[in-house]
Amino acid sequence: EPEVTQTPSHQVTQMGQEVILRCVPISNHLYFYWYRQILGQKVEFLVSFYNNEISEKSEIFDDQFSVERPDGSNFTLKIRSTKLEDSAMYFCASRGQGDTEAFFGQGTRLTVV
Amino acid sequence: GESVGLHLPTLSVQEGDNSIINCAYSNSASDYFIWYKQESGKGPQFIIDIRSNMDKRQGQRVTVLLNKTVKHLSLQIAATQPGDSAVYFCAESSNLSGTYKYIFGTGTRLKVLA
Repeated sequence: EPEVTQTPSHQVTQMGQEVILRCVPISNHLYFYWYRQILGQKVEFLVSFYNNEISEKSEIFDDQFSVERPDGSNFTLKIRSTKLEDSAMYFCASRGQGDTEAFFGQGTRLTVV
Repeated sequence: GESVGLHLPTLSVQEGDNSIINCAYSNSASDYFIWYKQESGKGPQFIIDIRSNMDKRQGQRVTVLLNKTVKHLSLQIAATQPGDSAVYFCAESSNLSGTYKYIFGTGTRLKVLA
């Protein structure tokens, strides 16, 4: 069964460092998303990406965040200068054309120290 | 503004009983609703969805009910099993922005008692 895969599963980084979270969406999907979940809280939308550009982003997705689809399979989230409050689980999701259901990856736990 | 919330943070049920998890939403423009199950350390796992032109949809042991009049969504799990223990999130979505982003509720933790 096709699935969304994310790497790494856990990333620890020093405050102020850059991190790149990686995702491989389901191969024939065209819509890609990043969500985050701070421990014990709800899942929050960060950004959606379609046709090689951001289609929507939330207030959380400020200038420190960027997304990229560098090739035909990967979808990355970069945080330029991490802050303590960026510590969270980050989930990648993808959706096929004409579908409404999004499939989520297992997440990357980011810990900023 | 948009918001999706859950009435109960924790629900404890006896194994074999039926579970009902509730959710309220506020965006009347939402046309798609979905329930996800999240086990510890894992990503959200699709359970069941429903479009706004329906008021009920059944899956295997699960039923979702949608009441658009009061903007209420519920998930019913029949014959709850220990493997159903998890946090359950409702989410709403619309295609107004063209993205079908999900707005998630806070989550309800379901505990199944043996």
